[in-house]
Amino acid sequence: EIVLTQSPGTLSLSPGERATLSCRATESVNSNYLAWYQQKPGQPPRLLIYGASSRATGVPDRFSGSGSGTEFSLIISRLKPEDFGVYFCQQYGSSPGTFGQGTMVEIK
Amino acid sequence: QVQLRESGPGLVKPSETLSLTCNVSDHSINNGFYWGWIRQAPGKGLEWIGSIYHNGQTRYNPSLKRRVTISVDTLKSQFFLKLTSMTASDTAMYYCARDKVSTAGPYDYWGQGILVTVSS
Repeated sequence: EIVLTQSPGTLSLSPGERATLSCRATESVNSNYLAWYQQKPGQPPRLLIYGASSRATGVPDRFSGSGSGTEFSLIISRLKPEDFGVYFCQQYGSSPGTFGQGTMVEIK
Repeated sequence: QVQLRESGPGLVKPSETLSLTCNVSDHSINNGFYWGWIRQAPGKGLEWIGSIYHNGQTRYNPSLKRRVTISVDTLKSQFFLKLTSMTASDTAMYYCARDKVSTAGPYDYWGQGILVTVSS
């Protein structure tokens, strides 16, 4: 199965700053079928990005995804206080679908 | 707006079988999507368990395949998870979700989850 490694483990940034989250796969993700989710405590994950760069319905345009093959990124251009949480990447191009271990974004 | 809600026991004894139900509302379960189960151990990451189409076609995570059965009742707009031979390592929040694109994600609508603890 494809293993996804996310970095960094934790990001601590101030509102207005730019956050860059990385997701690296052990092999190429078919069709760039890579998604990003945000999860807050006590809530299910929320889909942000799919197909590496397509924003899900209702997701603000400060969230953007990029990458291909084995290297993917999620960028939050101008952090807002409500953007705190854990961010997971997921590949769904090969079965089984697998998730990264998560990056925690803390707001200073 | 698709709504999903998990139901089932919050406590299961070791070696027993877990049975969960996901109720889908405000959306037809026949509408061309796969429906999946994902779990998350306390403080841990997410694990895809498997998914089902309205015609009963299933996909399972190989790591759980010998213990998992997912089924569907389209008339009741429900799908189900059975996980046999439960152990403490199966303690997790179990989510049901709608697959937006394929058979193992991405998941655009989620239930709130149900915490299942395995303990005697």
